Amino acid sequence: EAQVTQNPRYLITVTGKKLTVTCSQNMNHEYMSWYRQDPGLGLRQIYYSMNVEVTDKGDVPEGYKVSRKEKRNFPLILESPSPNQTSLYFCASSLWGTGTASGANVLTFGAGSRLTVL
Amino acid sequence: AQTVTQSQPEMSVQEAETVTLSCTYDTSESDYYLFWYKQPPSRQMILVIRQEAYKQQNATENRFSVNFQKAAKSFSLKISDSQLGDAAMYFCAYRRKGSQGNLIFGKGTKLSVKP
Repeated sequence: EAQVTQNPRYLITVTGKKLTVTCSQNMNHEYMSWYRQDPGLGLRQIYYSMNVEVTDKGDVPEGYKVSRKEKRNFPLILESPSPNQTSLYFCASSLWGTGTASGANVLTFGAGSRLTVL
Repeated sequence: AQTVTQSQPEMSVQEAETVTLSCTYDTSESDYYLFWYKQPPSRQMILVIRQEAYKQQNATENRFSVNFQKAAKSFSLKISDSQLGDAAMYFCAYRRKGSQGNLIFGKGTKLSVKP
């Protein structure tokens, strides 16, 4: 089944304790991205990657790191989590190209990871 | 910078009736994509419908259709014959065609369906 898999789905941690949220897709997608969702703010992009070893900042990158060593994986790293990073996080991926007939540019989302930082 | 505005934080519809969710966007680009995503209580983001800006014909997917007004930068979603399972948050989203096409979301509209 074509999917984006995130882990963990739920996590409660404490300020300053490094954590990693993993993301893996099995669709051979070039493009991967991380979003955070907060009430009243919709979804905002944290980081994205156009392909292996190519990453760039989104709208709210502060406090986060990413890496793209393999095409299928795009982990989100919180080096020193703070309470303002308490949020619902989504990983998403897509093919990259023109037109939507082939599914290019249509994001497939993971199931979300609920993170609480105390 | 591109922005997406959903002016209705909450909407309600009677089962079997029709409801329209509004979305406007701001962009200087001429070629882009527009999407509606549904987020039920399970939190999963589900693609409802998509539209390419250069296509004048409005997209339709079963009970879901859009009214795309490019000059007015409006992209509303119409849900016909509403069902209880349609109750969810609905997000309008924009994506510029090109090498750095970030998906920009509106803040969402919470749709309730009354039996």
